[in-house]
Amino acid sequence: DVKVTQSSRYLVKRTGEKVFLECVQDMDHENMFWYRQDPGLGLRLIYFSYDVKMKEKGDIPEGYSVSREKKERFSLILESASTNQTSMYLCASGLGGDSNQPQHFGDGTRLSIL
Amino acid sequence: LAKTTQPISMDSYEGQEVNITCSHNNIATNDYITWYQQFPSQGPRFIIQGYKTKVKNEVASLFIPADRKSSTLSLPRVSLSDTAVYYCLVKSTLTFGKGTMLLVSP
Repeated sequence: DVKVTQSSRYLVKRTGEKVFLECVQDMDHENMFWYRQDPGLGLRLIYFSYDVKMKEKGDIPEGYSVSREKKERFSLILESASTNQTSMYLCASGLGGDSNQPQHFGDGTRLSIL
Repeated sequence: LAKTTQPISMDSYEGQEVNITCSHNNIATNDYITWYQQFPSQGPRFIIQGYKTKVKNEVASLFIPADRKSSTLSLPRVSLSDTAVYYCLVKSTLTFGKGTMLLVSP
């Protein structure tokens, strides 16, 4: 069965800290995605990656960066956490190229910035 | 890029058929339309996908008109466990939008 694993279900950090959210997939997918989900706003794309060491900005990249050193791992980095980054973060993966196969999601990391 | 628009919420009762429509006016020629379901504290999961006309699986049906500017997810005889948020996604956008919160009551 396909699996996308996010390293933490819940995380509490302080304002100004550098925060790392980790995501690992075991499906050999080319594409990986980071979304944040907030009440009333749905899912919003932060960054995505089509290949190792490749990254593309999504709709709301400000305040975030990403790292994809290995195909199976995609990290989201909050360079200096702020309270408005308190949210649910969802990682997903999917096949690349012209594939229309759906994305597979992890169960999310609920991040609180105090 | 095509953006999607869905109703924010819908209410239904057990045993009824529910239809949720998504608008995607600027869909690209090679775009598929994919629907996801999300329960609280879980990531979205795939329900159904289509390109045109009608697609059906054991969970739902998907109706896509000839102009492909909208699609309708149909859930037959819903139960309480179908209470969830439903998202449509047009692949090239990579964005899910706000989704539709479906509440099924007894």
